[in-house]
Amino acid sequence: GAGVSQSPRYKVAKRGQDVALRCDPISGHVSLFWYQQALGQGPEFLTYFQNEAQLDKSGLPSDRFFAERPEGSVSTLKIQRTQQEDSAVYLCASSLDPLTGSSYNEQFFGPGTRLTVL
Amino acid sequence: AQKVTQAQTEISVVEKEDVTLDCVYETRDTTYYLFWYKQPPSGELVFLIRRNSFDEQNEISGRYSWNFQKSTSSFNFTITASQVVDSAVYFCAGDSSASKIIFGSGTRLSIRP
Repeated sequence: GAGVSQSPRYKVAKRGQDVALRCDPISGHVSLFWYQQALGQGPEFLTYFQNEAQLDKSGLPSDRFFAERPEGSVSTLKIQRTQQEDSAVYLCASSLDPLTGSSYNEQFFGPGTRLTVL
Repeated sequence: AQKVTQAQTEISVVEKEDVTLDCVYETRDTTYYLFWYKQPPSGELVFLIRRNSFDEQNEISGRYSWNFQKSTSSFNFTITASQVVDSAVYFCAGDSSASKIIFGSGTRLSIRP
């Protein structure tokens, strides 16, 4: 079956432009996560959805970052007025179900979108 | 708050040597999960292993083994008989909430032929 897909794979934006990054999770996966990975660093959590509900957006670095998942499947991460410090790889992950009991469902990661802001 | 520390920034070994990657996971939570991920040059994060906080048994899976010691918050990962294809950045990570994974800064492993 298909894994998590992200588009575009590469995006170059001029400073001040708005960008939209798309994530297609694995079919049937309830939870969806966005992470930001700066060069030479580990991924850092941005936000989490359970179906269409955004349950945690504590990692979004500023109000220029906005994520949505209106129908509980595809998600879009939007960055307004991009800045050079937004340059990073943006990773999306999905998992089957939130933690219930003693089970844990793996987060499956997509290939990422590499955003370069000039 | 959770914190994942990978003190080794880079490691280089000759092929067929064993190599151990160190990780310390600090949290106040009593229930949590620990992971190792591999990120090859292609950039995709590849899940390797998961361990829960209740199980301190050391395990082996093929050439991979891991050692979790709750008393020292350490979760070390060993590759036996390393191969050039093992060259990648390895991330240790933890999850106390089932809603976000906290990653370490990574260890770049280079296997020389």
